[in-house]
Amino acid sequence: DAGVIQSPRHEVTEMGQEVTLRCKPISGHNSLFWYRQTMMRGLELLIYFNNNVPIDDSGMPEDRFSAKMPNASFSTLKIQPSEPRDSAVYFCASSPLGRANTEAFFGQGTRLTVV
Amino acid sequence: GQQVMQIPQYQHVQEGEDFTTYCNSSTTLSNIQWYKQRPGGHPVFLIQLVKSGEVKKQKRLTFQFGEAKKNSSLHITATQTTDVGTYFCAGPGNSGGYQKVTFGIGTKLQVIP
Repeated sequence: DAGVIQSPRHEVTEMGQEVTLRCKPISGHNSLFWYRQTMMRGLELLIYFNNNVPIDDSGMPEDRFSAKMPNASFSTLKIQPSEPRDSAVYFCASSPLGRANTEAFFGQGTRLTVV
Repeated sequence: GQQVMQIPQYQHVQEGEDFTTYCNSSTTLSNIQWYKQRPGGHPVFLIQLVKSGEVKKQKRLTFQFGEAKKNSSLHITATQTTDVGTYFCAGPGNSGGYQKVTFGIGTKLQVIP
């Protein structure tokens, strides 16, 4: 198995532009998580899907952030419009069971820089 | 809401010395997980502890879960340069159902050869 696949690995964009991050979870996993990692705040859970349904999006910082999971093999995290303070590493993770308290498998992450 | 606090935030040790990181929760945890993130890498699952007072070992790594299930520790014996990275604990709440897994800030370990 290729593991969790994220794209792009790096993204540099100008303030105000729309950014879309993509994630392909491990096949058969029915839970998917989006995390944001910064030096100041560590790993923050942004949103959690189970069976393609958003379960908890309380970590999404603002209305500028949105996430979708149209099917079991694909999810997107969109930031529109982007701001410099959104610069961070964004991780997608998936897990095999329907509850959040199971091992999470992380993708390689997308390093986002907003200038 | 539940918070998972981790100390220390940074630790420099000489190769061969021991290292310990501590994780404390404001609420009881149904389980706790530990992850390691190498520099420039992504978090990788190490272990999950479930039972009160549980102790698990992985070679030079010893993981403990407190009796009250509110704290945990990771101890590395005789550190090596390959142990360099950030160690995270992560825990959900104990109310069952779908839970938000909260990560600690992590302990960044630097091993000096």
